[in-house]
Amino acid sequence: DTGVSQDPRHKITKRGQNVTFRCDPISEHNRLYWYRQTLGQGPEFLTYFQNEAQLEKSRLLSDRFSAERPKGSFSTLEIQRTEQGDSAMYLCASSFSARQETQYFGPGTRLLVL
Amino acid sequence: DQQVKQNSPSLSVQEGRISILNCDYTNSMFDYFLWYKKYPAEGPTFLISISSIKDKNEDGRFTVFLNKSAKHLSLHIVPSQPGDSAVYFCAAPPLIGETSGSRLTFGEGTQLTVNP
Repeated sequence: DTGVSQDPRHKITKRGQNVTFRCDPISEHNRLYWYRQTLGQGPEFLTYFQNEAQLEKSRLLSDRFSAERPKGSFSTLEIQRTEQGDSAMYLCASSFSARQETQYFGPGTRLLVL
Repeated sequence: DQQVKQNSPSLSVQEGRISILNCDYTNSMFDYFLWYKKYPAEGPTFLISISSIKDKNEDGRFTVFLNKSAKHLSLHIVPSQPGDSAVYFCAAPPLIGETSGSRLTFGEGTQLTVNP
């Protein structure tokens, strides 16, 4: 296993369109996290899954955002009716189930909304 | 409410010298901290961590110091190399009992440039 992968790496879309990103975590990891990073800021937590259960969502995750992890393996993050403010790097990370367990990040999907 | 803060957006050092990156936190109940390094167009990579039961943790050229009374931690890189040029983030997991997960709270990051 080569680590966390994300697809696509880059996405340019027009305002109002829907976009979907995919994350494949490290196979043995049962926790999966989504973060968003904008220029000059550190990653900000969006949501996390323990296996297939979505256990926590940030208030940053508006109604236009939805995430799934249907079989407890890969995850998708969908943004509906994109807005220019959604332009950011979307990062996925995975870890084992422990509070201090290191999270391993994927390369991210850079979204640009025109 | 920025619970983990990195006040220096950038730092420039000469190759072979020491790089010191700083991080402050507001909640004295934080008990574990991590440093990540991020190159452009890549995700953050774990570098080193420290538990609050220690005041120092060392891994090769990287040492993290924790000053609990000052709510301050620092990452020392000795000697610095041009390949260390990246953005460095400090991060902390949630407080015990706050959540079942381990979502990280990150600082804003410091861009380190090591000049040959």
